[in-house]
Parts: sequence; structure tokens; C-alpha cells
Amino acid sequence: GAVVSQHPSWVICKSGTSVKIECRSLDFQATTMFWYRQFPKQSLMLMATSNEGSKATYEQGVEKDKFLINHASLTLSTLTVTSAHPEDSSFYICSARGPFKLAGWTDTQYFGPGTRLTVL
Amino acid sequence: DAKTTQPTSMDCAEGRAANLPCNHSTISGNEYVYWYRQIHSQGPQYIIHGLKNNETNEMASLIITEDRKSSTLILPHATLRDTAVYYCIVLLMNTGFQKLVFGTGTRLLVSP
Repeated sequence: GAVVSQHPSWVICKSGTSVKIECRSLDFQATTMFWYRQFPKQSLMLMATSNEGSKATYEQGVEKDKFLINHASLTLSTLTVTSAHPEDSSFYICSARGPFKLAGWTDTQYFGPGTRLTVL
Repeated sequence: DAKTTQPTSMDCAEGRAANLPCNHSTISGNEYVYWYRQIHSQGPQYIIHGLKNNETNEMASLIITEDRKSSTLILPHATLRDTAVYYCIVLLMNTGFQKLVFGTGTRLLVSP
């Protein structure tokens, strides 16, 4: 249980285009999902927290108009990188807050496999 | 900022136990200790968590000192597939949404 998927696993796009990344909780409902970014040889950095049916909460320094997050259902959150540039090239990872019972009644987060974005 | 301190890297021979230490000297009474690992180019994988008592599951054991200022993750019989970056994170529970703050972690290399 508690499987999180991401699609696509990798994407290459031209500068100026927009890219959408999907994050799905496959066998549980997730009211809260998180989006992280990881540059080479660095740790994960939280970009935003997404709650189903409401606006995402962005971390300081993350442009909300550039990284659009939609959490329209309890099993799907999407991250759209708008007008992507080479500096947006990174590894994007989502996570979902797991079901309390499965996680031993705690707020364990379960992560997707990540999406590698390369902007040319 | 991460509230934990971990060694940058460790080596372990295949089949031996890997003991990964973590210092969290400023941990408060209602903060849990979580361990995740990240294999190269994958998303982090949850391993184990605990509050006060030692914990064991099918992946690992977590030993927390009595004063809770440090802990050790134990992989009893390390395999080559356990090569990864291991993150120790303290997390305050029961206060709404929880933000995982990843530090630099420990890069564990398991060798034949």
C-alpha cells in the first residue's frame, strides 16, 4: 500500500514551453501532497504544499505563477512549469501524506519516483 | 534548517550490519525521528520512525537513546541495493501539516 506514481518519469522540452507533471496516489486518498525539487548533488527542497480543493502554499522564493499546482482530486496533483528555462532543469518529486491507519496513525509521507526535467 | 547532524558518508561490507548515526540534540518531547533513504535518481523511500522506544520493521531497526538526543538506524544485513543516501529527520506531530526538512544525509556505500 501507499504507492505514489509520477508521470512522466522524464521530459525534455524547449525553452519557453510549459510542462505538466502528474502525481497520483494509487491506492489511497491523499488530502495533502507536496512538491519538491532536487538539483544534482543537493538535497530535496520543498517547493509547495498542496491541499485538495484549495490553493497551494508555496515556500519562500518559489514563484507561484511559474510553478502552477492543481490538486483537483484526492488522488491527483499536478505541477505545471510555465515558460520553462534551462535553470528550471531539475528532478521534481512529489509526495503524499499517507493514510493514517497504514502509517501507524502518523503523518508519514510517501514519495513518487520523480520526474527529471531537462529544458534545452 | 535541518535539525539533525549526520556523517557525510559511510562504507559497509555486503552482509554486514550498517549502523547509521544521527544527532538531534535539540529534539523536543513530541518530535518523532524519521528515516528515509534515496537511491540514485529515485524518490525517497520511507524506512522507519520512532518517538522514544526502539522500533523494528522488515527493513531496519531504529535505536533511540534514552535522552533522545541521538539515534542509530541499523540495517542488519546490508546488501548492494542498500547503497543510497539516508536522511534522518525530526518531525513534530499532531500539529496539522508536516514539513519534511531534508538535510544532506549520509551516503552509504555497500561494497561486495
